[in-house]
Amino acid sequence: NAGVTQTPKFQVLKTGQSMTLQCAQDMNHEYMSWYRQDPGMGLRLIHYSVGAGITDQGEVPNGYNVSRSTTEDFPLRLLSAAPSQTSVYFCASSYSASGSSYEQYFGPGTRLTVT
Amino acid sequence: TQLLEQSPQFLSIQEGENLTVYCNSSSVFSSLQWYRQEPGEGPVLLVTVVTGGEVKKLKRLTFQFGDARKDSSLHITAAQPGDTGLYLCAGGTGTYKYIFGTGTRLKVLA
Repeated sequence: NAGVTQTPKFQVLKTGQSMTLQCAQDMNHEYMSWYRQDPGMGLRLIHYSVGAGITDQGEVPNGYNVSRSTTEDFPLRLLSAAPSQTSVYFCASSYSASGSSYEQYFGPGTRLTVT
Repeated sequence: TQLLEQSPQFLSIQEGENLTVYCNSSSVFSSLQWYRQEPGEGPVLLVTVVTGGEVKKLKRLTFQFGDARKDSSLHITAAQPGDTGLYLCAGGTGTYKYIFGTGTRLKVLA
């Protein structure tokens, strides 16, 4: 049981380039999400999915696209990279632990630098 | 906009000391979670509290949810170097989404 896996671990892009960050989970969790982590700002939600075929925007969605064709995979696409997108990106999957709480499991992260 | 402020931002203490980290908001949350994150890794869930006034203990860690469900604290007794890391609180919105705090970076010196 690998949990949540992310690739690549590190990536350097030039301004204007596009790329896809991969995320996969093997826990059959219904919910998946993408966060970015910047110093002093905690984790901010980019996009999330409540099931295959269903996605929605989080707090900071501009410049990113997502799709969810299967329960397992939730890739994040950077359309035209900008230096402001330099960050550490985390993918998480979760399930409903009770009526009002969800337990999230995070991947190891992708450290992205845009020059 | 719901915000969660954590204090202190940074904490450096000697092994064996006690410490408390605070997580505060003006908003009411349906639940409150605490995570620990180590360098180069993703956050790991430590605990979820859902009831106002609830206290949970995890070995040397004690978590409390405020009576009004707007704040929480994490108390560590007799800190050890293995407790070193970034501690994050996250407030539940009643849906799948959580609002994360700004984090407290703890360093425990041997």
